[in-house]
Amino acid sequence: GENVEQHPSTLSVQEGDSAVIKCTYSDSASNYFPWYKQELGKGPQLIIDIRSNVGEKKDQRIAVTLNKTAKHFSLHITETQPEDSAVYFCAASTGTGNQFYFGTGTSLTVIP
Amino acid sequence: SAVISQKPSRDICQRGTSLTIQCQVDSQVTMMFWYRQQPGQSLTLIATANQGSEATYESGFVIDKFPISRPNLTFSTLTVSNMSPEDSSIYLCSVEGRENTGELFFGEGSRLTVL
Repeated sequence: GENVEQHPSTLSVQEGDSAVIKCTYSDSASNYFPWYKQELGKGPQLIIDIRSNVGEKKDQRIAVTLNKTAKHFSLHITETQPEDSAVYFCAASTGTGNQFYFGTGTSLTVIP
Repeated sequence: SAVISQKPSRDICQRGTSLTIQCQVDSQVTMMFWYRQQPGQSLTLIATANQGSEATYESGFVIDKFPISRPNLTFSTLTVSNMSPEDSSIYLCSVEGRENTGELFFGEGSRLTVL
């Protein structure tokens, strides 16, 4: 089955700096890679996703890149703000109705 | 995205008791998913619930421990039976946002503490 690894487990950055979280996956059949943000006491919120036919996707300060050959994808947050502080999860899926495999999470702290 | 409501949001339970978590979605969905998130851990799929059929459980999860109901296309329940402290977790209901997109949306979760 699929194995998703996520690094780092914790990350602290100064406000305004960039943050990068990386994930690798093992199943070449995976074709959908979402990222979730989970704030304390809340459920995970989908913030951005990428499909295997795209190498990069950007939404304001958030971007995701995918390298299918190397089987890794990354989340990039620029100009970080204190409200970006949360736990971020990556995931991989082979498509509709199929199981999502989640990474172990990255606790991001943005220091004002 | 779908609006997903879960009840209770949190509860403290005694060992040996059972608790039923409710999940209500604001639109009809084919599949509903139940996840467990143990303290400080990632998300693990418990089962997939389809309306009109038995839930499909993942390895390590059994119906006797986690019975699931899916009476219609907008509602599901998950029961955690005969609880022990190891069942202390956040239980999350999730659904696909739009058909055939693979996007997954989560409720706010139900945080259970078993004493």
